[in-house]
Amino acid sequence: EVQLLESGGGLVQPGGSLRLSCAASGFTFSSYAMSWVRQAPGKGLEWVSGISGSGGDTYYADSVKGRFTISRDNSKNTMSLQMDSLRAEDTAVYFCAKAYRTNWSFDYWGQGTLVTVSS
Amino acid sequence: EIVMTQSPATLSVSPGERATLSCRASQSVSSNLAWYQQKPGQAPRLLIYGASTGATGIPARFSGRGSGTEFTLTITSLQSEDFAVYYCQQYNNWPLTFGGGTKVEI
Repeated sequence: EVQLLESGGGLVQPGGSLRLSCAASGFTFSSYAMSWVRQAPGKGLEWVSGISGSGGDTYYADSVKGRFTISRDNSKNTMSLQMDSLRAEDTAVYFCAKAYRTNWSFDYWGQGTLVTVSS
Repeated sequence: EIVMTQSPATLSVSPGERATLSCRASQSVSSNLAWYQQKPGQAPRLLIYGASTGATGIPARFSGRGSGTEFTLTITSLQSEDFAVYYCQQYNNWPLTFGGGTKVEI
């Protein structure tokens, strides 16, 4: 059974940093691209960042480029999102999502971790 | 970036009725489009990818069609568990983008 478990969310002040993690199990982690998708309270879905199975290719939304860094450790079946220079508008539930084998749709999602940026 | 526009924002239907949701892309995304269902407090669930291919375990009452810039998701004979918010997503170009969602309500 595929499982994705996010951790690392919490309350942080504007300008601060936070590191999210996603622990994966139930599939060959290194064979699949992964992404982070966020959802602000009461709002729709926003894709944040993606990483190829090898970790060699990374992609970012313009809204986070230069502030967030995605990475993965295939030996530990984990993916991370380092978030720096956080802003109030980064407040959201952050979902970890597994890409489908042949495309960038997302067939499995974690339950999400809440990040609140506030003073 | 490609802007995905969903309509209507809210769709009021009765159980057993048919629902048709629309998604329009600001430029062609070929057939690189997915549909998701999200219920309150839950993660999204993949329904359709490749514009028309049902994901594993998705009931046959969900179907998708379209290509280029115009797409539709049809739910035949709505059941109580189908009342939710539906999102389209393009994966033809970076950055990936989602539509604003359509809420299907009673």
